[in-house]
Amino acid sequence: EAGVTQFPSHSVIEKGQTVTLRCDPISGHDNLYWYRRVMGKEIKFLLHFVKESKQDESGMPNNRFLAERTGGTYSTLKVQPAELEDSGVYFCASSHLPPGIGELFFGEGSRLTVL
Amino acid sequence: AQTVTQSQPEMSVQEAETVTLSCTYDTSESNYYLFWYKQPPSRQMILVIRQEAYKQQNATENRFSVNFQKAAKSFSLKISDSQLGDTAMYFCAFIMDSNYQLIWGAGTKLIIKP
Repeated sequence: EAGVTQFPSHSVIEKGQTVTLRCDPISGHDNLYWYRRVMGKEIKFLLHFVKESKQDESGMPNNRFLAERTGGTYSTLKVQPAELEDSGVYFCASSHLPPGIGELFFGEGSRLTVL
Repeated sequence: AQTVTQSQPEMSVQEAETVTLSCTYDTSESNYYLFWYKQPPSRQMILVIRQEAYKQQNATENRFSVNFQKAAKSFSLKISDSQLGDTAMYFCAFIMDSNYQLIWGAGTKLIIKP
């Protein structure tokens, strides 16, 4: 069975440009999460989908970030326009059960570098 | 505020040695779950071990065990008979019963030397 896949693995863009990150969760996992790790800092929660609905987006840093999960399958995270402080690794994870009970499965992350 | 502190940014030990990674956390909640995740170089994050806060018994998974001290809010990871494949970033995290957000530490880079 395929794991969580993320694309692209690495993106280098200039400040002001737009980038879209994609996450394909494990098939059948209703819960999908986005996390971000800025260099050397803690990993921070961004948002949580249950199927196609945003359950919790309290971690989204500002309105330059837009996440969608069309049809409850894959998810995209768009950053527009990108700023220098957006650089980091963006992790996607999925789970069948709530994370305290069931295991979270992570993708390898998408590294974003904003110049 | 909920926080996790990993005081060791980097550690290195010889293969076959035992190593302990420290983690302290802060929460006012009584029900939560604690985790250690590892991320090998260029690989995805995987769960090493988990602990329910209401359980007093320390979790173990083969060579990995934890020392959970709830009153002290401490959750250290012990790796016995370390192997080269244990080289990775190790993250301590917890999640409260009341929401779905994992709270993470900054990570400890562990290097196992041959």
